[in-house]
Amino acid sequence: GQNIDQPTEMTATEGAIVQINCTYQTSGFNGLFWYQQHAGEAPTFLSYNVLDGLEEKGRFSSFLSRSKGYSYLPLKELQMKDSASYLCAVRDVPAAGNKLTFGGGTRVLVKP
Amino acid sequence: ETGVTQSPTHLIKTRGQQVTLRCSSQSGHNTVSWYQQALGQGPQFIFQYYREEENGRGNFPPRFSGLQFPNYSSELNVNALELDDSALYLCASSPRRSGGSETQYFGPGTRLLVL
Repeated sequence: GQNIDQPTEMTATEGAIVQINCTYQTSGFNGLFWYQQHAGEAPTFLSYNVLDGLEEKGRFSSFLSRSKGYSYLPLKELQMKDSASYLCAVRDVPAAGNKLTFGGGTRVLVKP
Repeated sequence: ETGVTQSPTHLIKTRGQQVTLRCSSQSGHNTVSWYQQALGQGPQFIFQYYREEENGRGNFPPRFSGLQFPNYSSELNVNALELDDSALYLCASSPRRSGGSETQYFGPGTRLLVL
């Protein structure tokens, strides 16, 4: 089966750093994606990991440990516009297409 | 803007009715996936189409069906609508079936309300 867990909600102050964790237990693994989704809008791609380690990508880097089934997304220098849901998604193996299994999302509220 | 378009943007139906949702993929993308996103939850995979053939299906009943056309646009059909089908339906396109570092690009979604 596929199981992806994220905290449901986090609150932080503008300018601060917040780390969103994601743990997964999936039958197949072919990469992990992070998406940002503002209320009522489509998810937009933030970051991708397939190998262990930190993938640096400006304010939206992401870390992966395949042996631990764990990823995190550190949001740096938070801005008010970063208030959104952040979705962790695991891609299945090529034999299953590039099906994404999503976690429930973490709603981040940035306060002034 | 991802270049993926969906229609209609909103739809209201009653229980038992049928609905067809449409998606145009980004230029050059031959793979389309459909997801259902209930309020406050993450998207759930319905199925994927690659070159007009179904290429994987999630845990959805047969009353959820789809099509992909030669121009790679796609339709999602839902028969015998139930109240729990109320959700945001997202279409996502990608350049090829097996992935690599390419992400899926999501359309704006169709919000379906079943009364």
